[in-house]
Amino acid sequence: NAGVTQTPKFRVLKTGQSMTLLCAQDMNHEYMYWYRQDPGMGLRLIHYSVGEGTTAKGEVPDGYNVSRLKKQNFLLGLESAAPSQTSVYFCASSYFNPLGANAFFGQGTRLTVV
Amino acid sequence: AQTVTQSQPEMSVQEAETVTLSCTYDTSESDYYLFWYKQPPSRQMILVIRQEAYKQQNATENRFSVNFQKAAKSFSLKISDSQLGDAAMYFCAFEGSQGAQKLVFGQGTRLTINP
Repeated sequence: NAGVTQTPKFRVLKTGQSMTLLCAQDMNHEYMYWYRQDPGMGLRLIHYSVGEGTTAKGEVPDGYNVSRLKKQNFLLGLESAAPSQTSVYFCASSYFNPLGANAFFGQGTRLTVV
Repeated sequence: AQTVTQSQPEMSVQEAETVTLSCTYDTSESDYYLFWYKQPPSRQMILVIRQEAYKQQNATENRFSVNFQKAAKSFSLKISDSQLGDAAMYFCAFEGSQGAQKLVFGQGTRLTINP
């Protein structure tokens, strides 16, 4: 099925642990994004990619790293998780302007850091 | 940098009534796009309506319409004949036409529909 798939859907981490969130899309989209959603703050852009092998920082990049080695996958890494990274993470992909009208969003990953 | 502000954290409306959600934004660009998204408890992001800044006519999609005031940088969403299925979190979002495609979201408004 076409769409954006995020893995895992839920995760609980201890402070200091590391993990990688995977976003996979099968629509041959060039643009991919990672957002975090927190109560009262909406969705904030962490990192994004405009094509295979490229990444760029968004609004809140600190504490996260990303990689886009394959066009269909966009990985978000937390090297040393902190309680402030407890959030719901969304991945999105798009192929055409404007992003807002053509974006496909994943179902989100709920991450809790204790 | 662009900012989007939704000043109503929560709103409620009686079923079949009309409700308006507010959104203001700040930008120095003259050409841009504005969107309203709906997020039900399933967390799915659903595009409700879009508005291109160069269009003077307000966008309408069935029971959903916007009041776009470019000079005031205001973009409100009106939901007519509210239905129980409209209950959700609503996000206003801005996308500029310059540089890389990026969406800037507001804080969100949680809409409750009272039967």
